[in-house]
Amino acid sequence: AQSVTQLDSHVSVSEGTPVLLRCNYSSSYSPSLFWYVQHPNKGLQLLLKYTSAATLVKGINGFEAEFKKSETSFHLTKPSAHMSDAAEYFCVVSGDGNDMRFGAGTRLTVKP
Amino acid sequence: ETGVTQTPRHLVMGMTNKKSLKCEQHLGHNAMYWYKQSAKKPLELMFVYNFKEQTENNSVPSRFSPECPNSSHLFLHLHTLQPEDSALYLCASSQDGGPGGTQYFGPGTRLTVL
Repeated sequence: AQSVTQLDSHVSVSEGTPVLLRCNYSSSYSPSLFWYVQHPNKGLQLLLKYTSAATLVKGINGFEAEFKKSETSFHLTKPSAHMSDAAEYFCVVSGDGNDMRFGAGTRLTVKP
Repeated sequence: ETGVTQTPRHLVMGMTNKKSLKCEQHLGHNAMYWYKQSAKKPLELMFVYNFKEQTENNSVPSRFSPECPNSSHLFLHLHTLQPEDSALYLCASSQDGGPGGTQYFGPGTRLTVL
């Protein structure tokens, strides 16, 4: 079985400052891990995916995430926030089969 | 986002109505999914179809009835819903139902049950 915990329900940053969205996972298998973003009234868009290759994964729009097995973490970062980054972000773990477990989401607010 | 389309985008229905949600994927995928997204709750997987066969029913009430006539189309038939069924219903597809596959989502149908 697998599960994922997003440690912050809401993160607020100023435009141009770094973004850190935290995610911890639990999995009985070698997991695949994802970050998705959801803008208001839109579906989920894939930001990036980890599948046991490089531990540092680069995604779209300048986001990246680092898989740390020892810490069971997969935190999402971006060096400089943009207003258009304001959205809901979901960390997802997939283990055996087609069972994807979604975190509760982190709402990112970007202040001018 | 145009890879997976959903209609209608918004739906308001009474508890005695019958309606259907439609999902279509243009990605050549073989697996399709229905999710329910309620406020303050994680996404809930409802149904999975793999090569048109239902492979998962995540304890969903029988008032929700899925149909998958082919690998490109997925329906969710709704009958005698309850107000607590109001939510965003998301459809997704993936290449197949194997582990670690990336799922691509549609924009969702915002359902309100009066």
